[in-house]
Amino acid sequence: EVQLVESGGGLVQPGGSLRLSCAASGFTFSSYWMSWVRQAPGKGLEWVANIKQDGSEKNYVDSVKGRLTISRDNAKNSLYLQMNSLRAEDTAVYYCARAGTMDYFDYWGQGTLVTVSS
Amino acid sequence: DIQMTQSPSTLSASVGDRVTITCRASQSISSWLAWYQQKPGKAPKLLIYKASSLESGVPSRFSGSGSGTEFTLTISSLQPDDFATYYCQQYNSYSSLTFGGGTKVEIK
Repeated sequence: EVQLVESGGGLVQPGGSLRLSCAASGFTFSSYWMSWVRQAPGKGLEWVANIKQDGSEKNYVDSVKGRLTISRDNAKNSLYLQMNSLRAEDTAVYYCARAGTMDYFDYWGQGTLVTVSS
Repeated sequence: DIQMTQSPSTLSASVGDRVTITCRASQSISSWLAWYQQKPGKAPKLLIYKASSLESGVPSRFSGSGSGTEFTLTISSLQPDDFATYYCQQYNSYSSLTFGGGTKVEIK
């Protein structure tokens, strides 16, 4: 059974940092592109970033470029999102998602809430 | 970036109704479109990919159609479990993925 379990969310002050993790199981993690998708309270879905199977290619939505960094450790079956210089508008539930045979998302984690507030 | 526009934003319907949701892309995305269902407090669930391919385990009352810039998600006979928010997502370019704003299907 495919499972994606996020952790690391919490309350952080504006300008602060946080590192999210996603533990994957039930599939060959190193064979899939992975993404982070977020959802602000009461709002729609926003793709944040994705990373190629071997980590050699990464893409970001413009609003997070230079502040958020996606990475992965295939030996640990884990996906990460390093979040720096956080802003109030980064407040959201962050989901880890697996890309299917193309770049749609066939499996999602349960999400972890990040709140940026003083 | 490709913008995705869904309509309506809210839809009121009754059990048994046929429901159609529209998603329009700002430029052609061929058939690189997916549909998701999301219930409150839960992660989205994949329903349709490549515009019209039904994900395994998804009831056949869900169907998708379209290509280019205009797409539809149809629920042939709305069931109580289908009251949720639906999102489209384009994946024409893997370096810039975008979702529609969502359509909330409410009980009439």
